[in-house]
Amino acid sequence: RKEVEQDPGPFNVPEGATVAFNCTYSNSASQSFFWYRQDCRKEPKLLMSVYSSGNEDGRFTAQLNRASQYISLLIRDSKLSDSATYLCVVNIHDYKLSFGAGTTVTVRA
Amino acid sequence: DADVTQTPRNRITKTGKRIMLECSQTKGHDRMYWYRQDPGLGLRLIYYSFDVKDINKGEISDGYSVSRQAQAKFSLSLESAIPNQTALYFCATSDPGQNYGYTFGSGTRLTVV
Repeated sequence: RKEVEQDPGPFNVPEGATVAFNCTYSNSASQSFFWYRQDCRKEPKLLMSVYSSGNEDGRFTAQLNRASQYISLLIRDSKLSDSATYLCVVNIHDYKLSFGAGTTVTVRA
Repeated sequence: DADVTQTPRNRITKTGKRIMLECSQTKGHDRMYWYRQDPGLGLRLIYYSFDVKDINKGEISDGYSVSRQAQAKFSLSLESAIPNQTALYFCATSDPGQNYGYTFGSGTRLTVV
């Protein structure tokens, strides 16, 4: 079983729509959680950390459910510039981040 | 200048050749990593280093070696390249004080023919 699993999508949504997707992780000892954004053929960039109580950063909301071992990302009022692949990232040990394969979001005009 | 710089950006090499990918950083981070990315598989850890004297294997280290020449430099070598090492390679750094978030270089697209 993969350590981090994501629905690859793609999620095709119109501008202004809300899109949400989850990722599940297998190791209950996981300590830290992140969402990264990756544009085509570019490096991943940290979008936001995910905190136990859930957190927002502008139009982005992240939630953590430790009991069910999943994290979610919700994007409100989607913009064309939100089109990207979103990587779910879990810190299991001190040194090692485990990356999901990514969920592709395409926002259309 | 970028915080984490990788060279070359693109490289095509022949099977059996030795190739080195270089990474340098200006963030002053002690921790550096090499990952490869393949479609549908996510990023997988090849090697990591917590300081100049520290080298550790990741989950897919076979066929690769690394050198940490200084705090700012971490190079990845393919001793004898093979076609299934064709991938996108990323170097990253981290600072434990920043909750382990990574800063990535722009990547090296390597093709082995």
